[in-house]
Amino acid sequence: GAVVSQHPSWVICKSGTSVKIECRSLDFQATTMFWYRQFPKQSLMLMATSNEGSKATYEQGVEKDKFLINHASLTLSTLTVTSAHPEDSSFYICSARETSGGVVEQFFGPGTRLTVL
Amino acid sequence: QKEVEQNSGPLSVPEGAIASLNCTYSDRGSQSFFWYRQYSGKSPELIMFIYSNGDKEDGRFTAQLNKASQYVSLLIRDSQPSDSATYLCAVRKYNQGGKLIFGQGTELSVKP
Repeated sequence: GAVVSQHPSWVICKSGTSVKIECRSLDFQATTMFWYRQFPKQSLMLMATSNEGSKATYEQGVEKDKFLINHASLTLSTLTVTSAHPEDSSFYICSARETSGGVVEQFFGPGTRLTVL
Repeated sequence: QKEVEQNSGPLSVPEGAIASLNCTYSDRGSQSFFWYRQYSGKSPELIMFIYSNGDKEDGRFTAQLNKASQYVSLLIRDSQPSDSATYLCAVRKYNQGGKLIFGQGTELSVKP
């Protein structure tokens, strides 16, 4: 299957700082990328859908000014957690959608573990 | 009612047995269904997808879909300790940009 990378794999930051997470599709072009958040022992919760060249669509309850998403190219989307607080500590996972031959598949990155002190 | 529901488990089966994981969904118009496996601390990996009613087999895995009952299941034959993980059922929402909606996951434990 296609490969999606995330960077960094983990990050520890102080409360009030901003953290940027990168998501790249390595061997395919992804017009759509998704950002998920997962708390311990819970399922993946979709935060936003990111389309290349346009504004992200945020899920209900997700603050767009706090979680800034940029999808500047067909292979790169970034999530910036602004003014991070301890309650933002979570596992952030991106996913990129590939459409080829009429089949739509969605591939996940390895995730980024964010810890806010 | 949650859109996608799974028993959280844990489901414990002995090595070599068949593990049966179940999932129900609320949107009768749903058309695409996915099973992901997630090891602790890792991101999900796709096991199978199914679009049509009936069974779909891939190695030791069989996905079953019953649209009338709004029910999808995953059978794992000859379960191995390495199958111990959380299994996530997901439904694609074509009328909402194709996003995947996940169930809460079922934790499977295969005992040697």
